Amino acid sequence: RKEVEQDPGPFNVPEGATVAFNCTYSNSASQSFFWYRQDCRKEPKLLMSVYSSGNEDGRFTAQLNRASQYISLLIRDSKLSDSATYLCVVYQDDKIIFGKGTRLHILP
Amino acid sequence: NAGVTQTPKFRVLKTGQSMTLLCAQDMNHEYMYWYRQDPGMGLRLIHYSVGEGTTAKGEVPDGYNVSRLKKQNFLLGLESAAPSQTSVYFCASSPNFLRQGGWGNQPQHFGDGTRLSIL
Repeated sequence: RKEVEQDPGPFNVPEGATVAFNCTYSNSASQSFFWYRQDCRKEPKLLMSVYSSGNEDGRFTAQLNRASQYISLLIRDSKLSDSATYLCVVYQDDKIIFGKGTRLHILP
Repeated sequence: NAGVTQTPKFRVLKTGQSMTLLCAQDMNHEYMYWYRQDPGMGLRLIHYSVGEGTTAKGEVPDGYNVSRLKKQNFLLGLESAAPSQTSVYFCASSPNFLRQGGWGNQPQHFGDGTRLSIL
């Protein structure tokens, strides 16, 4: 099992819809979790941290399920500008591990 | 506030040539990192530094060297470029958060990348 896995997509979603994707991790001792957004040919940018109790930032909700070892990102009322690749990042011991990303296309 | 700045933005090299990529950050971060990103491979850590004068190997260090002579700068060197090193290189920095038991919860801040082609 890979250390961090994401469905590569692409997810093609109509504007205004809700979309969710997960990121699974293999090491139960993983300590910190983040979602980054990366636009085509651009650098990754922090979208949000993921806290144990779950957290929300506007239309975005992040959740952590330690028992099943995954984090999730939910986007409500999706906008065309949400089209990007979403990377999950897991910190464990002395490693920072990036998922390969999930591509999201919001369709007009 | 510039954040993390990478130079150059683009470069084309011939096999065997050498070059240095520069990363500079103005956030007083202790930690700095160099990644490469290739299609289908995601971000892979090349080398990182936990403070001025210190460096450590990441996941894919072969063919690269680094130096951190000043806290704000982290240099990535290719001594003899190979076509396999064609990639997009990202530098990142983060605050000092490594504590006993592993990393804390401070995210990384990325530069806007260097596109390097080796012919």
